[in-house]
Amino acid sequence: GQNIDQPTEMTATEGAIVQINCTYQTSGFNGLFWYQQHAGEAPTFLSYNVLDGLEEKGRFSSFLSRSKGYSYLPLKELQMKDSASYLCAVRAGGATNKLIFGTGTLLAVQP
Amino acid sequence: GAVVSQHPSWVICKSGTSVKIECRSLDFQATTMFWYRQFPKQSLMLMATSNEGSKATYEQGVEKDKFLINHASLTLSTLTVTSAHPEDSSFYICSARPGTGINQPQHFGDGTRLSIL
Repeated sequence: GQNIDQPTEMTATEGAIVQINCTYQTSGFNGLFWYQQHAGEAPTFLSYNVLDGLEEKGRFSSFLSRSKGYSYLPLKELQMKDSASYLCAVRAGGATNKLIFGTGTLLAVQP
Repeated sequence: GAVVSQHPSWVICKSGTSVKIECRSLDFQATTMFWYRQFPKQSLMLMATSNEGSKATYEQGVEKDKFLINHASLTLSTLTVTSAHPEDSSFYICSARPGTGINQPQHFGDGTRLSIL
């Protein structure tokens, strides 16, 4: 089966650093994506990993370990506008390369 | 670049009505588009994969006759919710992937909030 796990909720303080984790067990693997979704809006793409290691992309980097089935999204210098859901999605291969989404982590940034 | 437009943003209608939602890739061609449904405080659930010029591929448990998908061109896919009922009320989101490269991320439309009375 396909299983992608993330913590349901996290709380952090403005200016702090947080790390949102994602573990996955899928029948195939063709890359892992992170999206940000504000309430009532569509997801926006943040970062992507297909190889092990840290993928640095401006403010939103992401780390992947394929052997451990694990990824994390580090968020630095948190701002109030970073309060949102963060969705981890695995592309499990196959003909359509569809994405399988985790349940998402709702991050609340407090002043 | 990679803008996906979805229309309408909001739909409120009576039970039994059929509702059509459009998804357009504005600045790229998309052979494949995806339709998702999202209930409050839940993640995105893939409903179907829309393929240009061929039949859509539906996920298990999604009724083909209930959710009609047409992908008539490389920039337009439509989802029609036929004879909608209150339990169909949800946030419907489409996405499209530029080109054929597997490393390309999916880009999402702004979603359609459907409320069936």
